[in-house]
Amino acid sequence: DAGVIQSPRHEVTEMGQEVTLRCKPISGHDYLFWYRQTMMRGLELLIYFNNNVPIDDSGMPEDRFSAKMPNASFSTLKIQPSEPRDSAVYFCASRAPPGDTGELFFGEGSRLTVL
Amino acid sequence: EDQVTQSPEALRLQEGESSSLNCSYTVSGLRGLFWYRQDPGKGPEFLFTLYSAGEEKEKERLKATLTKKESFLHITAPKPEDSATYLCAVQTDSWGKLQFGAGTQVVVTP
Repeated sequence: DAGVIQSPRHEVTEMGQEVTLRCKPISGHDYLFWYRQTMMRGLELLIYFNNNVPIDDSGMPEDRFSAKMPNASFSTLKIQPSEPRDSAVYFCASRAPPGDTGELFFGEGSRLTVL
Repeated sequence: EDQVTQSPEALRLQEGESSSLNCSYTVSGLRGLFWYRQDPGKGPEFLFTLYSAGEEKEKERLKATLTKKESFLHITAPKPEDSATYLCAVQTDSWGKLQFGAGTQVVVTP
């Protein structure tokens, strides 16, 4: 299994630009989570989906952030416009059914730097 | 509000020097406690899940235990390749979302 695949691995952009991060979950996993990691705040949950439907987006910091999951094998996290404080590593993770517990499998992350 | 606190923040060990990491939690209803390992530039890698007080799990030099208020990750006779940041996380809902602690950075020197 290829695991959770994220792209790009690194992104450097200027303030005000649009950023799109992409994620391909593990095949057969129907839960998908987006996390953000910074030194100051650690790993923070932004949003999660079940069967492509957003369940809870209360962790999304501002309206500049949006996430979609158009099908079971693809999700995007978009920041528009980007700001320097958005600089962080963004992780996507997926979880397999069934049941209500089970480990999350994380991708390698997308390191975003906003200048 | 649910809280997960890990200590110490950083730990430096000599190879072979056993030690323990602590994860204390205050949650409204624990469905599972998870331990992950994270190497620099990588995503967290799953180690263990514990579901009830008294449960223990082992993997090579690592052993995780759980009480009603905290979990310990014991590292026995560590090797340099055990150097990493160890994260604990709690699950309190039925969707599987995890709330993470800040992590303990472990460095094992030869």
